[in-house]
Amino acid sequence: DAGVIQSPRHEVTEMGQEVTLRCKPISGHDYLFWYRQTMMRGLELLIYFNNNVPIDDSGMPEDRFSAKMPNASFSTLKIQPSEPRDSAVYFCASSLFVTNEKLFFGSGTQLSVL
Amino acid sequence: QQPVQSPQAVILREGEDAVINCSSSKALYSVHWYRQKHGEAPVFLMILLKGGEQKGHEKISASFNEKKQQSSLYLTASQLSYSGTYFCGTGVDNYGQNFVFGPGTRLSVLP
Repeated sequence: DAGVIQSPRHEVTEMGQEVTLRCKPISGHDYLFWYRQTMMRGLELLIYFNNNVPIDDSGMPEDRFSAKMPNASFSTLKIQPSEPRDSAVYFCASSLFVTNEKLFFGSGTQLSVL
Repeated sequence: QQPVQSPQAVILREGEDAVINCSSSKALYSVHWYRQKHGEAPVFLMILLKGGEQKGHEKISASFNEKKQQSSLYLTASQLSYSGTYFCGTGVDNYGQNFVFGPGTRLSVLP
């Protein structure tokens, strides 16, 4: 199994530009999570999906952030327009269940907004 | 509400033991432990559930005190490969609601 696959690994962009992060979960996993990691705030849950449906997006910081999961094998996290404070590592994770099941994390996307 | 982890950082020599604590102000149903090496993704270590047994994973084990809403991660005879940041995550029910990670404890094992 290839694990959770994220792309790109690194993204450098200028303030105001649109950024799209991509994730392919492990096949058969019904749950997909987007996390953001910063030194100040640690690992924060942004949104999670169950069977491609967004269940909880209360962690999405503001309307500039949006996430979609058009099918079971692909999800995107989009930031438009991006701001310097969005600089962070964004992780995608998947799991079989949401009830106290271990999370499998992707390698993350290091985003730098200049 | 984010759980509290202590200590924030610890430095050990190979072969020494360490304990990392995680506590919450909420009644907990589950505690999860992950390890993250620098520049890598967090990796699952173990889950402890309310009413469950103490877990072990080679020389890494953990306990869960439900009454005190605390969990401790025990690393015995530490190895260089144990270096990294350890995160606890806490859940308040069996539905995965309000699952939140702690701030992490940075562990450095020196030769």
